[in-house]
Amino acid sequence: EVQLMEFGGGLVQPGGSLRLSCSASGLNVTQNYMGWVRQTPGRGLEWVSLIFSGGSTFYADSVKGRFTISRDTPKNMLFFEMNSLRAEDTAVYYCVRVEASRRESDYFYYMDVWGKGTTVTVSS
Amino acid sequence: DIQMTQSPSSLPASVGDRVTITCRASQRINSFLNWYQQKPGKAPKLLIYGASSLQSGVPSRFSGSGSGTDFTLTISSLQPEDFATYYCQQTYTTLGYSFGQGTRVEIK
Repeated sequence: EVQLMEFGGGLVQPGGSLRLSCSASGLNVTQNYMGWVRQTPGRGLEWVSLIFSGGSTFYADSVKGRFTISRDTPKNMLFFEMNSLRAEDTAVYYCVRVEASRRESDYFYYMDVWGKGTTVTVSS
Repeated sequence: DIQMTQSPSSLPASVGDRVTITCRASQRINSFLNWYQQKPGKAPKLLIYGASSLQSGVPSRFSGSGSGTDFTLTISSLQPEDFATYYCQQTYTTLGYSFGQGTRVEIK
């Protein structure tokens, strides 16, 4: 069974740092496109970062320069290093697998595997 | 950034109803549109990808249509387990896989 499990969330003060981890089973994080999505009651679902199998990384403008996505091949884990945290970064963070399906000449990308989420609270 | 707008925000419905949710993109996204279902306290679940392809294991009462800027998710006969919040998402550009704000399907 394909599963993702996040951990590392918690309470952190504004300006602080936190590292989220995502453990994968049944899939290889290096051979897949992986990402992070966060959710708040006020802003709903927000895509925040992607890492392609080739290593290219992408970030939402709201986190660019502060957050870094990475992976560990031997441990088969995905990471999310979050620095200079702000109150508006408070959210549930989900680790996701981004799958692709080809139709004619196009590749359609979608998030087909989600972890249960880990909560990050930024508050003094 | 591509903005995704869903309507309505809330949809009261009864079991057996045909339900339609609309999603509009701020620019053309061809068919790079996905639909997710989320229940309270749970992660979103993929229903439809590529605007109209049903994800494996999803009941056939769910269907998606549209292309360009306007898309719909239809539930042909609402079941008790379908009361949830539904989100659209565009994956046209890796500059931002943006989501709609959600449509809550609630008991009338």
